[in-house]
Amino acid sequence: KNEVEQSPQNLTAQEGEFITINCSYSVGISALHWLQQHPGGGIVSLFMLSSGKKKHGRLIATINIQEKHSSLHITASHPRDSAVYICAVIPNTGNQFYFGTGTSLTVIP
Amino acid sequence: DTEVTQTPKHLVMGMTNKKSLKCEQHMGHRAMYWYKQKAKKPPELMFVYSYEKLSINESVPSRFSPECPNSSLLNLHLHALQPEDSALYLCASSQAGTGVYEQYFGPGTRLTVT
Repeated sequence: KNEVEQSPQNLTAQEGEFITINCSYSVGISALHWLQQHPGGGIVSLFMLSSGKKKHGRLIATINIQEKHSSLHITASHPRDSAVYICAVIPNTGNQFYFGTGTSLTVIP
Repeated sequence: DTEVTQTPKHLVMGMTNKKSLKCEQHMGHRAMYWYKQKAKKPPELMFVYSYEKLSINESVPSRFSPECPNSSLLNLHLHALQPEDSALYLCASSQAGTGVYEQYFGPGTRLTVT
């Protein structure tokens, strides 16, 4: 059983569409991260959340601690947003990531 | 400087070779991590160093040998690897201690074992 589940696994969108990626987890957490990985490997940390909502440019991340759920939204999507988006949680019991399986996003011009 | 660098970017090695992966950061972070990532899978934690001491070894085979010579550098020494060890090896760093800290990842080394 995976402690972190993401949906959808794959997502194709037209440029300009509003995109939502969901993450559900089953453990108590200290924080949740949204990570972006482009083809070729490097991982970029987009957000670290422990409550509420954060916004950076066209990206918005929300978390509901009671429901153990987080969403990543991308407004006005662009082909350069094409990447794998990974949800990762840090459990209350440690300082290591539990990773979700990732959502592969393709934005078509 | 919020960059973690890794060298080499790509590495091809035979099963009898000995090679090393290098990772460097100058953010003053005292926790450093090695992850292994297979295609279309999330990263798997291998090792964690905290204050230059190995704090976590996730039951990694001894053919992988980590080393943290100082607070800025992290090496992964490779010897007698198997083809199934081919993967992307990612290094990350963060502040250390009891708080919850963001991890900064390097670009990775793509390793192919022939």
